[in-house]
Parts: sequence; structure tokens; C-alpha cells
Amino acid sequence: EDQVTQSPEALRLQEGESSSLNCSYTASGLRGLFWYRQDPGKGPEFLFTLYSAGEEKEKERLKATLTKKESFLHITAPKPEDSATYLCAVQLNAGGTSYGKLTFGQGTILTVHP
Amino acid sequence: KAGVTQTPRYLIKTRGQQVTLSCSPISGHRSVSWYQQTPGQGLQFLFEYFSETQRNKGNFPGRFSGRQFSNSRSEMNVSTLELGDSALYLCASSRTSGGLNEQFFGPGTRLTVL
Repeated sequence: EDQVTQSPEALRLQEGESSSLNCSYTASGLRGLFWYRQDPGKGPEFLFTLYSAGEEKEKERLKATLTKKESFLHITAPKPEDSATYLCAVQLNAGGTSYGKLTFGQGTILTVHP
Repeated sequence: KAGVTQTPRYLIKTRGQQVTLSCSPISGHRSVSWYQQTPGQGLQFLFEYFSETQRNKGNFPGRFSGRQFSNSRSEMNVSTLELGDSALYLCASSRTSGGLNEQFFGPGTRLTVL
């Protein structure tokens, strides 16, 4: 079964301490890789779409990159309001079995202390 | 632009009952996907509807069903509720079904089965 693995499961940072979250996937035929942020009790909030190796996207303190089988979400000088669960999801190039289907990783719980 | 809305936000049911959840997509979006989120399994794909047709289905029993209306609004139904059905049910809308499928999530419906 296609798998999406995120690491670490949890990450505690001090405010201003930069770090990276990892997302790796086993399937071939990637159509797109997505990053979401989820706050407790809320639905995931869309952050980025990546679909070719070497691609990078940035938004405020976040930068997402994509290699052949991995993506990284770099957080530069994080603030306490960046605390959330960050989810990675993939959409495969698999015809009808991929319609509307994202396969999610388990997420990384990020806590940023002031 | 209004986001994805889901009703109700919270539901408490007892085993054996059935439940119907509703989702209104972003205006202009024709694809609606449904996911179940639990602490143990994470986000799992239930099914996707596009132009009133179910185009893809995840690995869930037949007790889980859905439909989509001509205005793209969607409902999902769970019959004969079990304790394990307690979860956050999320719907996500997208412009299209095939192709790169950027999905935008609603706030979810929290279902508790007693």
C-alpha cells in the first residue's frame, strides 16, 4: 500500500530556532504533493502544492521543497503562532483510483516556545 | 470568497443509529472529497464526488455512503453506527476531479458515538 511518512512525529522549538520537517513517500507516479497546517479542532489549511523535483514554494516563514521521493518543510525563525500539526499529502498519477484522493502522512506536531 | 462549510459541527449519536453530514463546497468547485480523521489512523479517504457521480471510493464498509447534488453540495451518511465511527469527518472541495487536485477543507463535523 502506498505510504506517506512524516518525521519527526513531534518537534519542540524555541522561538527563532529554525528547523525542517520531512515527508517521504513510497509510491511512483506522483501527480502532486501538498502541505497543510492543522490547528486543534479545525480542518487542515492548505499551504503549498509541489509537483516536480527541484520545485520550491515559500510563504512567510515557511519554505517547501521537493526531491524525487521526499519533501521538506523548512521553518525559519518560527514564532509561537506557528505551533500546529503540519500534514503532508500526496496525489498519485493513477487514473480513476486517484480521483479526489489524497494520501496523508500522520503529521508532525510542532510546538514553538516563546 | 466563502470557504467550505460543514454542518453540523458536532453530533452525538448512539450505536445503531444513522447520521447524515452536509458539506457545501467553495463556489465554483465541483469536486467534493470526504475524509475520516482519527488519532490512530490519521486522515483516511472515504470517497469523492464530481458532477453528482461517485468517482472514487476508499476502503470503508458499505455503511458509509454519500451523494452530491446538482449545486455541488454533498452529503455523507453513516448507517448502523459503531463506536469506532467516532471521528472528525472532513470534506474538501476542489475545482476538478482529474488533474492536480488542490483540495480545500472545511472545519469538519465531530461525531461521537456512545
